[in-house]
Amino acid sequence: NAGVTQTPKFRVLKTGQSMTLLCAQDMNHEYMYWYRQDPGMGLRLIHYSVGEGTTAKGEVPDGYNVSRLKKQNFLLGLESAAPSQTSVYFCASSYNPGVEQFFGPGTRLTVL
Amino acid sequence: KQEVTQIPAALSVPEGENLVLNCSFTDSAIYNLQWFRQDPGKGLTSLLLIQSSQREQTSGRLNASLDKSSGRSTLYIAASQPGDSATYLCAVKPGGSEKLVFGKGTKLTVNP
Repeated sequence: NAGVTQTPKFRVLKTGQSMTLLCAQDMNHEYMYWYRQDPGMGLRLIHYSVGEGTTAKGEVPDGYNVSRLKKQNFLLGLESAAPSQTSVYFCASSYNPGVEQFFGPGTRLTVL
Repeated sequence: KQEVTQIPAALSVPEGENLVLNCSFTDSAIYNLQWFRQDPGKGLTSLLLIQSSQREQTSGRLNASLDKSSGRSTLYIAASQPGDSATYLCAVKPGGSEKLVFGKGTKLTVNP
C-alpha cells in the first residue's frame, strides 16, 4: 500500500496563478482532509470530505476550492494564488472520524 | 474554542534517558487525542490514538496517557534513542467536530 500520496512535492507560483494539488489514498478511506502548516501556527484544516462527492469547509477555507469526484482522490485548488498561501500543505485520510488520520508527505508551495 | 498547548517547545536529552512530553487542552469535551511524529521536511506519522473513554495507550517504547478532566495528555518515551529525534505533535478531536486541533509541537533532540 502506498498510503496517502501527494502531487507535486514542491511548487513555486507567481501571484495570481492557479494550480491544483492532488491527494490520493489507497486505503478505501471515506474521510479526507486538507491542512496547511505554517511556522508558529501549527496545522489548520482547510477543507474536508466525508465521502465521494462531498466537501465541507474547515477552519481556513478562503481562497481554496476542493473536489472529491472519486473516493480515492481529493483535489485542492488555488484559483488565484496569493503570497499568504505560501505554506506546506498536507492531505490526510481516515476510515471514519473516530479513528486515526494518516497523512501524506506534504506539498511545499511558495507564492512569489 | 479548543486550544492545544505543548510545553516545552524544544527538549534536548542524552541517549538512554526516559522522557515525558506534555500536551494540554482547554476543553475536556474531546472525542479522541492523537500523538504524531514529524521528521524535518516530512509528513506526520501517527504514533498513538487515545479515545476519550481510555486512559492510556502503549506501543513499544511509547506510552500515552489521557486525563480528560484535567485537560492533559503525556507521551512517555522510554530509553530514548537518537532516532527518536523529531517534532512531536499532539492533536485533539473536539466532540461533534470533524477537524483535529493541533498543538505547535515539541522538538525533541536525543544526543548520542
